[in-house]
Amino acid sequence: DAGVIQSPRHEVTEMGQEVTLRCKPISGHDYLFWYRQTMMRGLELLIYFNNNVPIDDSGMPEDRFSAKMPNASFSTLKIQPSEPRDSAVYFCASRSRDSNSYEQYFGPGTRLTVT
Amino acid sequence: DAKTTQPPSMDCAEGRAANLPCNHSTISGNEYVYWYRQIHSQGPQYIIHGLKNNETNEMASLIITEDRKSSTLILPHATLRDTAVYYCIVRVAGSNYKLTFGKGTLLTVNP
Repeated sequence: DAGVIQSPRHEVTEMGQEVTLRCKPISGHDYLFWYRQTMMRGLELLIYFNNNVPIDDSGMPEDRFSAKMPNASFSTLKIQPSEPRDSAVYFCASRSRDSNSYEQYFGPGTRLTVT
Repeated sequence: DAKTTQPPSMDCAEGRAANLPCNHSTISGNEYVYWYRQIHSQGPQYIIHGLKNNETNEMASLIITEDRKSSTLILPHATLRDTAVYYCIVRVAGSNYKLTFGKGTLLTVNP
């Protein structure tokens, strides 16, 4: 299995532009998580889905952030409009309902820089 | 979920055992202890988890004290590739799948 796939790996954009981050979870996994990591705040959960349905979005910082999961193999995290303080590494993770360990498998991340 | 306390950094010589401590004095009876690590510029990686008993897998061993208020992650023969930030996480098993990451311990394995 290729693992969790994220694209792009790096994104540089100007303030005010729309940014879309993409994630393909591991096949067969029915939970998908979006995290953000910064030096100041560490690694924090933004939102997670179960069977393509958002379950908890309490970590989404503000209305500029939105996430969708149109099918079991694809999810997007969109920031519109982007701001310099959104600069961070964004990780996507997935896990299987059948996993007894609640192990989450993380992707390589997308490093976002907003200038 | 219970709060955890870890030292900010530790050093270990290559080939020696690395023992990473974690305090979770407010842990409840139904909370598990999880360990993840994050190698520089990569996503976090699951290592091991346990409830009461000591656990071992191909990566590490987890020793949980009898009162469950602390635990130790042991990497038996540390290599340079084990240099990473190690996170100790306590969470309740069940429908809440959130993982709350603290600051972790930066383990540096020296040649």
